[in-house]
Amino acid sequence: EAQVTQNPRYLITVTGKKLTVTCSQNMNHEYMSWYRQDPGLGLRQIYYSMNVEVTDKGDVPEGYKVSRKEKRNFPLILESPSPNQTSLYFCASSLWGSAVRTGELFFGEGSRLTVL
Amino acid sequence: EDKVVQSPLSLVVHEGDTVTLNCSYEVTNFRSLLWYKQEKKAPTFLFMLTSSGIEKKSGRLSSILDKKELSSILNITATQTGDSAIYLCAVAVGGTSYGKLTFGQGTILTVHP
Repeated sequence: EAQVTQNPRYLITVTGKKLTVTCSQNMNHEYMSWYRQDPGLGLRQIYYSMNVEVTDKGDVPEGYKVSRKEKRNFPLILESPSPNQTSLYFCASSLWGSAVRTGELFFGEGSRLTVL
Repeated sequence: EDKVVQSPLSLVVHEGDTVTLNCSYEVTNFRSLLWYKQEKKAPTFLFMLTSSGIEKKSGRLSSILDKKELSSILNITATQTGDSAIYLCAVAVGGTSYGKLTFGQGTILTVHP
């Protein structure tokens, strides 16, 4: 089944404790991206990657890191989480050529992160 | 800074009503405008509009891009309770920021029976 898988789905952590949210897709998509969703603010893009070893900042990259060593994986790293990073996080992927024609991003189920 | 604004932020209607959701944008190097529907989980794709394809329709949903006014509308006719969701508008840009997507705040639509 074609899917984007995020882990963990739910996490409660404490300020300053490094964490990684993994994202994996099995559709051979070049494009992957991370978003956070907060009430009243919609989705905001954190980072995106056009292909392996190619990443770029979205609108809200501060406090986050990413890497794209393999095509299928795009982990989101919070080196020193703070309470303002409490949010719902989505990973998404697309065949970018396909996205140009259809605009279809495939989203993961979301990861709800709470930083105390 | 790229900006996408949706209105209204929330809307409550009854089944059978027609609704119009708005999305306006200010971006550098516009490439396409996207509409997504988000129910309880992840957003799902509805439409993409570009300079070469300014109107799309699927069943009771339709969308138009106004390139002059830098805006788009999403129309839903004969609404049903299953249309209750958050509707998200996003703009993709080209040039050196190819791959960057800016979303609006979303419109929360509630359809009562």
